[in-house]
Amino acid sequence: AQSVTQLGSHVSVSEGALVLLRCNYSSSVPPYLFWYVQYPNQGLQLLLKYTSAATLVKGINGFEAEFKKSETSFHLTKPSAHMSDAAEYFCAVSDYGGNEKLTFGTGTRLTIIP
Amino acid sequence: DADVTQTPRNRITKTGKRIMLECSQTKGHDRMYWYRQDPGLGLRLIYYSFDVKDINKGEISDGYSVSRQAQAKFSLSLESAIPNQTALYFCATSDVGLAGGDEQFFGPGTRLTVL
Repeated sequence: AQSVTQLGSHVSVSEGALVLLRCNYSSSVPPYLFWYVQYPNQGLQLLLKYTSAATLVKGINGFEAEFKKSETSFHLTKPSAHMSDAAEYFCAVSDYGGNEKLTFGTGTRLTIIP
Repeated sequence: DADVTQTPRNRITKTGKRIMLECSQTKGHDRMYWYRQDPGLGLRLIYYSFDVKDINKGEISDGYSVSRQAQAKFSLSLESAIPNQTALYFCATSDVGLAGGDEQFFGPGTRLTVL
């Protein structure tokens, strides 16, 4: 069974500092990996996804993530945090091959300190 | 107009009542999903449907049922609501791409409180 683990349910960074949100996955087959963001009182929207092409994936709003098979990781980064980045972030995995069921991590709430 | 809509957005009900949450989409997607979100637990899949004639149980289907009335409509019912079904419920849709790994598009959510 596939799963993802997000380390740190809450992360706080200062405005302008590096954002690093951690995600490790477990999958018996090559995975598809996703990062979704949830702003307050809204649904989830896709930040970026890995689908076996380039291992460094660039997403919206300056975020990127690197797929590292040897570490089974897909950490999300942004070089310089902005106040508007305050939200909850979810890592998710689905099986390769078109079975589009997503398994989500428990989420990381990002707080930006002015 | 939003591509994925959910009604109602908020609902307070009592234990034992039957509740229906509705989801409509204008994206033309075949695949639709119902999730619930609980603090500290992330999103968990309740039911999913890959087309109008296809309904599948997800991770936590007990106490829930669904109906896929049309390609664009997917309803979630709680036959007899209980307090631990208090949660935020999301509907999502996705297309069927050749390469897989397709994005799911989420509605704004329904906040359900069962007293």
